[in-house]
Amino acid sequence: GNSVTQMEGPVTLSEEAFLTINCTYTATGYPSLFWYVQYPGEGLQLLLKATKADDKGSNKGFEATYRKETTSFHLEKGSVQVSDSAVYFCALSPYGNKLVFGAGTILRVKS
Amino acid sequence: AAGVIQSPRHLIKEKRETATLKCYPIPRHDTVYWYQQGPGQDPQFLISFYEKMQSDKGSIPDRFSAQQFSDYHSELNMSSLELGDSALYFCASILRGLAGPTDTQYFGPGTRLTVL
Repeated sequence: GNSVTQMEGPVTLSEEAFLTINCTYTATGYPSLFWYVQYPGEGLQLLLKATKADDKGSNKGFEATYRKETTSFHLEKGSVQVSDSAVYFCALSPYGNKLVFGAGTILRVKS
Repeated sequence: AAGVIQSPRHLIKEKRETATLKCYPIPRHDTVYWYQQGPGQDPQFLISFYEKMQSDKGSIPDRFSAQQFSDYHSELNMSSLELGDSALYFCASILRGLAGPTDTQYFGPGTRLTVL
Protein backbone atom coordinates (compact mmCIF):
# COMPACT_ATOMS: atom_id res chain seq x y z
CA GLY A 1 0.00 0.00 0.00
CA ASN A 2 0.84 3.66 -0.04
CA SER A 3 2.14 5.43 3.05
CA VAL A 4 4.14 8.48 4.09
CA THR A 5 6.40 8.85 7.11
CA GLN A 6 7.47 12.25 8.36
CA MET A 7 9.86 13.23 11.09
CA GLU A 8 8.10 13.94 14.33
CA GLY A 9 7.82 17.45 15.63
CA PRO A 10 7.63 19.95 16.87
CA VAL A 11 10.70 21.37 15.22
CA THR A 12 11.80 24.58 16.91
CA LEU A 13 14.30 26.84 15.15
CA SER A 14 15.61 30.35 15.49
CA GLU A 15 15.00 32.81 12.70
CA GLU A 16 17.43 32.41 9.76
CA ALA A 17 18.27 28.82 10.72
CA PHE A 18 18.40 26.02 8.15
CA LEU A 19 15.36 23.78 7.98
CA THR A 20 15.09 20.13 7.04
CA ILE A 21 11.92 18.08 7.48
CA ASN A 22 12.41 14.46 6.50
CA CYS A 23 9.81 12.57 4.49
CA THR A 24 9.98 9.03 3.17
CA TYR A 25 7.32 7.13 1.33
CA THR A 26 6.17 3.67 0.33
CA ALA A 27 4.21 3.39 -2.87
CA THR A 28 3.34 1.12 -5.72
CA GLY A 29 4.22 2.67 -9.04
CA TYR A 30 5.48 6.21 -9.39
CA PRO A 31 3.35 8.64 -7.43
CA SER A 32 3.51 12.41 -7.46
CA LEU A 33 4.88 13.89 -4.23
CA PHE A 34 3.72 17.04 -2.48
CA TRP A 35 4.36 19.29 0.46
CA TYR A 36 1.31 21.08 1.85
CA VAL A 37 1.41 23.75 4.56
CA GLN A 38 -1.31 24.54 7.07
CA TYR A 39 -1.13 27.81 8.99
CA PRO A 40 -2.96 28.05 12.32
CA GLY A 41 -6.71 27.99 11.82
CA GLU A 42 -6.44 27.77 8.04
CA GLY A 43 -6.79 25.21 5.27
CA LEU A 44 -4.18 23.30 3.32
CA GLN A 45 -2.04 25.17 0.83
CA LEU A 46 0.13 23.50 -1.76
CA LEU A 47 3.73 24.46 -1.09
CA LEU A 48 5.53 22.49 -3.80
CA LYS A 49 5.35 19.28 -5.78
CA ALA A 50 7.38 16.87 -7.91
CA THR A 51 5.96 14.41 -10.38
CA LYS A 52 8.89 12.18 -11.28
CA ALA A 53 12.25 10.99 -10.05
CA ASP A 54 14.96 13.66 -9.68
CA ASP A 55 12.41 16.47 -10.09
CA LYS A 56 12.98 19.36 -7.70
CA GLY A 57 9.99 21.31 -6.47
CA SER A 58 10.56 24.80 -5.13
CA ASN A 59 8.49 27.69 -3.84
CA LYS A 60 9.02 30.61 -1.44
CA GLY A 61 12.57 29.47 -0.67
CA PHE A 62 11.50 25.89 0.12
CA GLU A 63 12.86 22.99 -1.93
CA ALA A 64 12.39 19.24 -2.11
CA THR A 65 13.84 16.68 -4.51
CA TYR A 66 12.07 13.46 -5.53
CA ARG A 67 14.59 10.71 -4.70
CA LYS A 68 13.40 7.39 -6.04
CA GLU A 69 16.47 5.46 -4.87
CA THR A 70 15.91 6.47 -1.25
CA THR A 71 12.11 6.93 -1.56
CA SER A 72 12.44 10.34 0.02
CA PHE A 73 11.17 13.88 -0.48
CA HIS A 74 12.82 15.94 2.23
CA LEU A 75 11.78 19.58 2.64
CA GLU A 76 14.54 22.18 3.04
CA LYS A 77 14.81 25.93 3.45
CA GLY A 78 18.02 27.84 3.85
CA SER A 79 16.77 30.56 6.18
CA VAL A 80 13.44 30.27 8.00
CA GLN A 81 11.32 33.18 9.14
CA VAL A 82 8.83 33.49 11.97
CA SER A 83 6.08 33.58 9.33
CA ASP A 84 7.04 30.03 8.29
CA SER A 85 5.64 28.68 11.56
CA ALA A 86 2.98 26.18 10.52
CA VAL A 87 2.26 22.49 10.14
CA TYR A 88 3.89 20.86 7.12
CA PHE A 89 2.41 17.75 5.51
CA CYS A 90 4.20 15.50 3.07
CA ALA A 91 1.82 13.64 0.77
CA LEU A 92 1.77 11.34 -2.20
CA SER A 93 -0.76 10.70 -4.92
CA PRO A 94 -0.85 7.92 -7.44
CA TYR A 95 -1.58 9.87 -10.59
CA GLY A 96 -4.80 11.77 -10.18
CA ASN A 97 -5.93 9.77 -7.19
CA LYS A 98 -6.54 10.45 -3.53
CA LEU A 99 -3.79 12.00 -1.45
CA VAL A 100 -2.10 10.01 1.29
CA PHE A 101 -0.68 12.30 3.95
CA GLY A 102 2.04 11.95 6.51
CA ALA A 103 1.29 12.78 10.13
CA GLY A 104 2.44 16.38 9.76
CA THR A 105 5.37 18.22 11.33
CA ILE A 106 4.86 21.32 13.45
CA LEU A 107 7.46 24.00 12.78
CA ARG A 108 7.98 26.79 15.29
CA VAL A 109 10.35 29.61 14.43
CA LYS A 110 11.49 31.97 17.20
CA SER A 111 12.62 35.53 16.62
CA ALA B 1 -8.03 33.08 -9.59
CA ALA B 2 -11.13 31.35 -8.34
CA GLY B 3 -10.56 28.80 -5.61
CA VAL B 4 -12.48 25.95 -4.04
CA ILE B 5 -15.40 27.23 -1.97
CA GLN B 6 -16.79 25.41 1.02
CA SER B 7 -19.83 26.24 3.06
CA PRO B 8 -20.52 26.70 5.80
CA ARG B 9 -17.12 27.53 7.27
CA HIS B 10 -18.24 26.66 10.78
CA LEU B 11 -21.04 24.41 11.94
CA ILE B 12 -22.17 23.43 15.41
CA LYS B 13 -24.53 20.50 15.85
CA GLU B 14 -25.87 18.34 18.65
CA LYS B 15 -25.33 14.59 18.85
CA ARG B 16 -27.69 12.60 16.62
CA GLU B 17 -28.42 15.61 14.41
CA THR B 18 -27.66 15.79 10.69
CA ALA B 19 -25.33 18.10 8.80
CA THR B 20 -24.76 18.95 5.15
CA LEU B 21 -21.46 20.32 3.92
CA LYS B 22 -21.12 21.86 0.49
CA CYS B 23 -18.17 22.13 -1.85
CA TYR B 24 -17.88 24.20 -5.03
CA PRO B 25 -14.80 23.17 -7.04
CA ILE B 26 -12.61 25.43 -9.11
CA PRO B 27 -14.40 26.25 -12.39
CA ARG B 28 -13.90 23.48 -15.00
CA HIS B 29 -12.66 21.02 -12.38
CA ASP B 30 -14.67 17.83 -12.68
CA THR B 31 -13.34 15.78 -9.76
CA VAL B 32 -13.95 16.37 -6.08
CA TYR B 33 -12.30 14.76 -3.05
CA TRP B 34 -13.45 14.92 0.57
CA TYR B 35 -11.05 14.62 3.51
CA GLN B 36 -11.57 14.62 7.27
CA GLN B 37 -8.95 16.07 9.62
CA GLY B 38 -9.42 15.34 13.30
CA PRO B 39 -7.75 17.50 15.96
CA GLY B 40 -3.98 17.16 15.65
CA GLN B 41 -4.35 14.55 12.91
CA ASP B 42 -3.42 14.34 9.25
CA PRO B 43 -6.23 14.57 6.70
CA GLN B 44 -7.88 11.24 5.90
CA PHE B 45 -9.53 10.55 2.56
CA LEU B 46 -13.29 9.95 2.71
CA ILE B 47 -14.66 9.78 -0.81
CA SER B 48 -14.24 11.18 -4.32
CA PHE B 49 -16.39 11.85 -7.35
CA TYR B 50 -15.71 12.22 -11.05
CA GLU B 51 -18.42 13.31 -13.46
CA LYS B 52 -21.09 12.76 -10.81
CA MET B 53 -20.02 9.16 -10.18
CA GLN B 54 -18.25 7.93 -7.08
CA SER B 55 -14.68 7.22 -8.13
CA ASP B 56 -13.06 6.07 -4.87
CA LYS B 57 -14.04 5.45 -1.29
CA GLY B 58 -11.97 5.62 1.84
CA SER B 59 -12.74 5.45 5.53
CA ILE B 60 -16.18 7.03 5.30
CA PRO B 61 -18.72 5.90 7.90
CA ASP B 62 -22.00 4.41 6.68
CA ARG B 63 -23.76 7.33 8.39
CA PHE B 64 -22.20 9.64 5.81
CA SER B 65 -23.20 9.93 2.19
CA ALA B 66 -22.12 12.24 -0.59
CA GLN B 67 -22.93 13.11 -4.14
CA GLN B 68 -21.77 15.31 -6.97
CA PHE B 69 -24.23 17.33 -8.99
CA SER B 70 -24.41 18.30 -12.65
CA ASP B 71 -22.65 21.62 -11.95
CA TYR B 72 -19.85 19.56 -10.28
CA HIS B 73 -20.50 20.88 -6.81
CA SER B 74 -20.60 18.21 -4.13
CA GLU B 75 -22.41 17.74 -0.84
CA LEU B 76 -21.42 15.60 2.12
CA ASN B 77 -24.39 14.53 4.21
CA MET B 78 -23.74 13.37 7.73
CA SER B 79 -26.44 11.78 9.89
CA SER B 80 -26.66 10.59 13.50
CA LEU B 81 -23.71 12.80 14.36
CA GLU B 82 -21.34 11.62 17.06
CA LEU B 83 -18.86 13.55 19.17
CA GLY B 84 -16.04 11.91 17.23
CA ASP B 85 -17.26 13.49 14.01
CA SER B 86 -15.97 16.85 15.24
CA ALA B 87 -13.27 17.69 12.72
CA LEU B 88 -12.21 19.91 9.87
CA TYR B 89 -13.69 18.67 6.59
CA PHE B 90 -11.80 19.59 3.45
CA CYS B 91 -12.86 19.45 -0.12
CA ALA B 92 -10.32 19.41 -2.95
CA SER B 93 -10.73 19.51 -6.71
CA ILE B 94 -8.79 18.61 -9.84
CA LEU B 95 -9.49 18.52 -13.56
CA ARG B 96 -9.55 14.93 -14.75
CA GLY B 97 -11.05 15.36 -18.19
CA LEU B 98 -10.39 13.41 -21.35
CA ALA B 99 -6.64 14.02 -21.35
CA GLY B 100 -6.25 12.44 -17.96
CA PRO B 101 -6.07 14.05 -14.53
CA THR B 102 -3.90 16.90 -13.51
CA ASP B 103 -1.99 15.85 -10.46
CA THR B 104 -2.45 18.76 -8.10
CA GLN B 105 -5.40 18.86 -5.77
CA TYR B 106 -6.49 22.32 -4.73
CA PHE B 107 -8.06 22.53 -1.31
CA GLY B 108 -10.86 24.64 0.02
CA PRO B 109 -10.60 26.40 3.40
CA GLY B 110 -12.51 23.62 5.12
CA THR B 111 -15.65 23.38 7.22
CA ARG B 112 -15.08 23.08 10.94
CA LEU B 113 -17.78 20.85 12.40
CA THR B 114 -18.27 20.78 16.14
CA VAL B 115 -20.62 18.17 17.59
CA LEU B 116 -21.79 18.89 21.14
